[in-house]
Amino acid sequence: KAGVTQTPRYLIKTRGQQVTLSCSPISGHRSVSWYQQTPGQGLQFLFEYFSETQRNKGNFPGRFSGRQFSNSRSEMNVSTLELGDSALYLCASSPITGDAPLHFGNGTRLTVT
Amino acid sequence: QKEVEQNSGPLSVPEGAIASLNCTYSDRGSQSFFWYRQYSGKSPELIMSIYSNGDKEDGRFTAQLNKASQYVSLLIRDSQPSDSATYLCAVKRGNKLVFGAGTILRVKS
Repeated sequence: KAGVTQTPRYLIKTRGQQVTLSCSPISGHRSVSWYQQTPGQGLQFLFEYFSETQRNKGNFPGRFSGRQFSNSRSEMNVSTLELGDSALYLCASSPITGDAPLHFGNGTRLTVT
Repeated sequence: QKEVEQNSGPLSVPEGAIASLNCTYSDRGSQSFFWYRQYSGKSPELIMSIYSNGDKEDGRFTAQLNKASQYVSLLIRDSQPSDSATYLCAVKRGNKLVFGAGTILRVKS
């Protein structure tokens, strides 16, 4: 079974630009979560989608948004990039079961200059 | 108080020894607990999940859960240099996982 696939793996953007990251979950997994990881803050929850609906949102500004498509693939968008948005963005998927663990993709390393 | 707390380490153990990693959480209603391993520059990899009090063993790994004391631990027996990584404790809260900051483990050969 293929794992969680995130594209692109690396991105370099300039302040003020916007970026879209993509995530394809494990086949059959309908929940997709996004996390931001930085050395100072660790893993911070961004949002979680299930059946194209955002069920949970972390404490991030409105510049961070996401969506999920009918095939469970998800995208997250960051507008008006700031230097502090430089981070590893991780997507994780899980089956419908509430107690199931998350399985992470390889992440997208975003550098904002 | 952070929701999930871990000692950042580094925890250094000699090869072949038992590494003991600890985690405490604040939400007494939490029911699902997980340990992830993260190598430098890589994404977190699930090692163990535990849902009820007591011990759960999987190969060289044992997870221990004590809900009354609100702590979770991970024991790694016969530690190997390849176990050197950051170990993340995670607690499920609703539909999201809340992570601790992670403990750096170094296994010296």
